[in-house]
Amino acid sequence: GENVEQHPSTLSVQEGDSAVIKCTYSDSASNYFPWYKQELGKRPQLIIDIRSNVGEKKDQRIAVTLNKTAKHFSLHITETQPEDSAVYFCAASFSGSARQLTFGSGTQLTVLP
Amino acid sequence: EPEVTQTPSHQVTQMGQEVILRCVPISNHLYFYWYRQILGQKVEFLVSFYNNEISEKSEIFDDQFSVERPDGSNFTLKIRSTKLEDSAMYFCASRTGTGANNEQFFGPGTRLTVL
Repeated sequence: GENVEQHPSTLSVQEGDSAVIKCTYSDSASNYFPWYKQELGKRPQLIIDIRSNVGEKKDQRIAVTLNKTAKHFSLHITETQPEDSAVYFCAASFSGSARQLTFGSGTQLTVLP
Repeated sequence: EPEVTQTPSHQVTQMGQEVILRCVPISNHLYFYWYRQILGQKVEFLVSFYNNEISEKSEIFDDQFSVERPDGSNFTLKIRSTKLEDSAMYFCASRTGTGANNEQFFGPGTRLTVL
């Protein structure tokens, strides 16, 4: 089955700096890669996703890049703000019947004011 | 904006007891999922459900677990005889299943504590 590795597990940045979180996946059949933000005690919320036919996607301060050959994808947050502090999970799924998500282990991002 | 809802928000039970966790997926969604998250760990897939039957399940989803869609709106997860290690946050999720849209929408979760 699919295995998703995520690093770093914790990341502290100064407000205004950029943050980068990286994930690798094992199953070359995976073709959908969402990123979820989870605040303490809350539900995971989708912040951006990318499909395997696209190399990069951007939404305001958030961008995701995908390297299919190397089987890794990254989340980039620019101009970080204290409200970006949360746990970020990457995930992967493939176009099987269920498209269930396999999650990475999460990154605790802390943005220091 | 429609949301996935779950009840109860917190369930405390004694080891060996049965629990039923309830979810109401978004109304026009066709695929439903249960995930769990042990405190401080990653979200793990349990089971997916489509067209009134299980489509995929993980190794975690053993004979102690079952899912049901008893009516047109609810989606339930039953744990027959709870163990201490079942203590976790359980998330329900749903997606439309139409076209190329893969986005899964998560509910707020039920925190299950097994004593």
